[in-house]
Amino acid sequence: DTGVSQNPRHKITKRGQNVTFRCDPISEHNRLYWYRQTLGQGPEFLTYFQNEAQLEKSRLLSDRFSAERPKGSFSTLEIQRTEQGDSAMYLCASSFGLAGGRQETQYFGPGTRLLVL
Amino acid sequence: AQSVTQLDSHVSVSEGTPVLLRCNYSSSYSPSLFWYVQHPNKGLQLLLKYTSAATLVKGINGFEAEFKKSETSFHLTKPSAHMSDAAEYFCVVSDRGASGTYKYIFGTGTRLKVLA
Repeated sequence: DTGVSQNPRHKITKRGQNVTFRCDPISEHNRLYWYRQTLGQGPEFLTYFQNEAQLEKSRLLSDRFSAERPKGSFSTLEIQRTEQGDSAMYLCASSFGLAGGRQETQYFGPGTRLLVL
Repeated sequence: AQSVTQLDSHVSVSEGTPVLLRCNYSSSYSPSLFWYVQHPNKGLQLLLKYTSAATLVKGINGFEAEFKKSETSFHLTKPSAHMSDAAEYFCVVSDRGASGTYKYIFGTGTRLKVLA
């Protein structure tokens, strides 16, 4: 299966620690998205890459958050000095598009569930 | 900005009866709308999408949705519920971002419960 994969699937950390998540998109997809989903809510957009360029960041993405996509392949999302409010499911999605993208289907990974104690 | 509103946070149906999950959208241009399903411990899976080709959209697992511009609605239906349909369902609209490309805006979700 060549779907979107995310690692780790679960992460428990103590407040103040740094954590890093990885996303491997579908291999031919040039677009990659990160979303955050808290309990009882729909996913919220965090950031977007086209190839290796990070083109948009949500206001939800504070200075403690950083995302990279070196070489336009896998992506990492790092959270520094974690807070209890960072506890959520972090979802990665990918798509392929040449322009616009209004009708593109995004394919989602299973997510990384973060619990900050 | 685009938005979607899912009118019911929980819906319960008996197995074999019809399913109706309601979604209203707000959009300043012709929207692209999607329905995704999320089973526990699994990723979001696309059920169907509307891209202005046809107002009645058929998806996987017997689901379909009808785009009604006059009512700004995109309700999801299925004639006969199956136990395996129990999951969280999200209505999604594609929104143009500052970069010129599109990101998803999700509704708050509807949890479907199917009773035996």
